[in-house]
Amino acid sequence: SQQGEEDPQALSIQEGENATMNCSYKTSINNLQWYRQNSGRGLVHLILIRSNEREKHSGRLRVTLDTSKKSSSLLITASRAADTASYFCATDSSNFGNEKLTFGTGTRLTIIP
Amino acid sequence: EPEVTQTPSHQVTQMGQEVILRCVPISNHLYFYWYRQILGQKVEFLVSFYNNEISEKSEIFDDQFSVERPDGSNFTLKIRSTKLEDSAMYFCASSVGVYYEQYFGPGTRLTVT
Repeated sequence: SQQGEEDPQALSIQEGENATMNCSYKTSINNLQWYRQNSGRGLVHLILIRSNEREKHSGRLRVTLDTSKKSSSLLITASRAADTASYFCATDSSNFGNEKLTFGTGTRLTIIP
Repeated sequence: EPEVTQTPSHQVTQMGQEVILRCVPISNHLYFYWYRQILGQKVEFLVSFYNNEISEKSEIFDDQFSVERPDGSNFTLKIRSTKLEDSAMYFCASSVGVYYEQYFGPGTRLTVT
């Protein structure tokens, strides 16, 4: 698998349910960021979690990071129709000065009203 | 809340023409980036820019591409002679420092005909 792969590729749930998306990566990182993209629109930054953190919360979002497994998960609780979007994880590299982000293929989340 | 802005939102150009995509990063940010997303594909890193010079570039960023910060607020991406395969959404991003959140603009959709 490539750096920053999300699964599932697509997820449909009922409004009010929780949605969980996973991301795996291959190389050591300094941090991992999650973004949301509505169809054909810009990337909205959701949350950044650093390699020395295991869990982070922001509103209805909860992100976990397991560096030993090189994986992260994004949990959206009490989903709303407005959460319908594609979600991407993006990793940097632990190489000094290498600040480029490598994006995954994304999870397309559909919330059914 | 400060945000990255990009103009134009959509640019149509003929193959072989030069295009300049413009971005205004968040005012206190020091690192600037260009990424692109071909329809249906991953977001790909093009170039990062710090202290008025390129700090890193990808294989995609060949001699046809250049970046410039002509004044204290704008950050531009120039494609000298566009090709059909340059058709994509181009995103500008900025961050306050290395390994901090990268905030993205809404994108410029470039269509090369």
